[in-house]
Amino acid sequence: GAGVSQSPSNKVTEKGKDVELRCDPISGHTALYWYRQSLGQGLEFLIYFQGNSAPDKSGLPSDRFSAERTGGSVSTLTIQRTQQEDSAVYLCASSSGTYRSVYGYTFGSGTRLTVV
Amino acid sequence: GENVEQHPSTLSVQEGDSAVIKCTYSDSASNYFPWYKQELGKGPQLIIDIRSNVGEKKDQRIAVTLNKTAKHFSLHITETQPEDSAVYFCAARNLFGNEKLTFGTGTRLTIIP
Repeated sequence: GAGVSQSPSNKVTEKGKDVELRCDPISGHTALYWYRQSLGQGLEFLIYFQGNSAPDKSGLPSDRFSAERTGGSVSTLTIQRTQQEDSAVYLCASSSGTYRSVYGYTFGSGTRLTVV
Repeated sequence: GENVEQHPSTLSVQEGDSAVIKCTYSDSASNYFPWYKQELGKGPQLIIDIRSNVGEKKDQRIAVTLNKTAKHFSLHITETQPEDSAVYFCAARNLFGNEKLTFGTGTRLTIIP
């Protein structure tokens, strides 16, 4: 596609429910990143994919968080048993090139998750 | 790992004046430094970047400077306009290490008409 597409744009869920967030990167971009942005805060790294593998998942805050990427394209971030502290904007970005790419990221508009 | 500090957290300038945002980084191996602009309800957008083999880069009203010895880099916006109002993030990355960018905490820039 023309840009990075994320869905849903907004999600309100009850505490304890599971949620899935979707990211559709720019066609041909091999690298995909998930970041979390809490209200008024910076961007917190969650996980990085190169193709379908995740060489760096060091930012996932707990085992309730998981992500996968299939076909080297779409990625889903799953949060199980959501907690109120999970409320944030979840941003996805993709970049072209291979390992050691010098290209910048292209971000999607994010999914605003609210846990009530 | 890398740690990026950014200041100020908020900045207000009169339209037409210049704005400067500063960042410091901790990992001397970092060699790529992009700046992103985030408007309300949107994802961050890359506006300019610089590599460690360059000391300064300009793109119209925007410039970035890098001091590798001091490990700091700055964003300069001249002749500011209302549409420059946004949150700006700096970031750093080691191209030969892990692949992720480490971001600063952001600066909310407000241009006063």
